[in-house]
Amino acid sequence: AQKVTQAQTEISVVEKEDVTLDCVYETRDTTYYLFWYKQPPSGELVFLIRRNSFDEQNEISGRYSWNFQKSTSSFNFTITASQVVDSAVYFCALSEQYTGNQFYFGTGTSLTVIP
Amino acid sequence: DVKVTQSSRYLVKRTGEKVFLECVQDMDHENMFWYRQDPGLGLRLIYFSYDVKMKEKGDIPEGYSVSREKKERFSLILESASTNQTSMYLCASNIYDTEAFFGQGTRLTVV
Repeated sequence: AQKVTQAQTEISVVEKEDVTLDCVYETRDTTYYLFWYKQPPSGELVFLIRRNSFDEQNEISGRYSWNFQKSTSSFNFTITASQVVDSAVYFCALSEQYTGNQFYFGTGTSLTVIP
Repeated sequence: DVKVTQSSRYLVKRTGEKVFLECVQDMDHENMFWYRQDPGLGLRLIYFSYDVKMKEKGDIPEGYSVSREKKERFSLILESASTNQTSMYLCASNIYDTEAFFGQGTRLTVV
């Protein structure tokens, strides 16, 4: 079974629109970590955020914000006022303490921001 | 800054060749990982290592082996390359439960 599901395969938005990328995870562990990565066309994965399972506080960093809800096993990512430079593939990932902290990645969401 | 360096950005190999993909990290990380990335499938774990000479199979280890003789270096070996191993290969490292840092990727084509 897929531990991390990113149901949105591709999203296109017009510049300055807000966009939310969905991530749903599955785990039986009580201690786990959630991550978001960005993969621009150059190919290298860039770390964006890490969240542990005990911290449900939402986080904002500039135009980026993350909404973590344990009740729905979701860790969604919102980009406000999108820009062309946000065009990339975004991956959500899960790391569980009981499986040795290996990472489980979703299949990614390809975001295109149209100027 | 953490640096994870993969030895090649692009590789073209022939079917049946033995292929070595090298990865070096400079931050003394215990854990190192090899992933394969294919369109629509995301990143799939091939092998990971949590210490020198230690290795664990990931989700798709068939056709691959790994070597970790030194803490900073983690090698992925394709014993006999096949066309279905044409893919992007990504190496990563981390400590404990922190975020993983990735290399720039190696795009391997097997012809």
